[in-house]
Amino acid sequence: DAGVIQSPRHEVTEMGQEVTLRCKPISGHNSLFWYRQTMMRGLELLIYFNNNVPIDDSGMPEDRFSAKMPNASFSTLKIQPSEPRDSAVYFCASSFGLVYEQYFGPGTRLTVT
Amino acid sequence: RKEVEQDPGPFNVPEGATVAFNCTYSNSASQSFFWYRQDCRKEPKLLMSVYSSGNEDGRFTAQLNRASQYISLLIRDSKLSDSATYLCVGGGADGLTFGKGTHLIIQP
Repeated sequence: DAGVIQSPRHEVTEMGQEVTLRCKPISGHNSLFWYRQTMMRGLELLIYFNNNVPIDDSGMPEDRFSAKMPNASFSTLKIQPSEPRDSAVYFCASSFGLVYEQYFGPGTRLTVT
Repeated sequence: RKEVEQDPGPFNVPEGATVAFNCTYSNSASQSFFWYRQDCRKEPKLLMSVYSSGNEDGRFTAQLNRASQYISLLIRDSKLSDSATYLCVGGGADGLTFGKGTHLIIQP
């Protein structure tokens, strides 16, 4: 069975550039989550969707971050413009609902120079 | 603010020993609890769910104490391959909260 798929796996970009991260959740899951993980702050929830609708984006650090889920099988997280402090691993996860266990993708390791 | 607190460790444990972690959660309305395992440079993976009555999966035992708002993970006969970071998770209808993890190192 295919798990959560994320692309790209690694991204190196220069400060000021736009970055788009992509996620395909597990088929049948109706909740999707975007997380950011750093050594200092651990795993931080950025935003989550339920049935393609954004429910809580209070974790999005600032207006430079935006996320969309145009359909049940695809979501994007965009950073524009990117800054060095955005360097982190970004995980996408999906689940059957908010109280259920989440399954994580392999992550995108973002480096902004 | 909903929080899940864990001792970050590291816990250095000899192979074959038994090791236990606790974590506390602040949201008394939490309904769902899990332990995840995360290897270096990998994604978190579900280790086991935590049920009110406690549950066991091979060498792993999870317990929930609602009165004191903590959950625990016990690993018996630890293996070198158990070395990882263990994330405690709790939450409810408004989502799950992940702890920052406990780093476990099993030494030969």
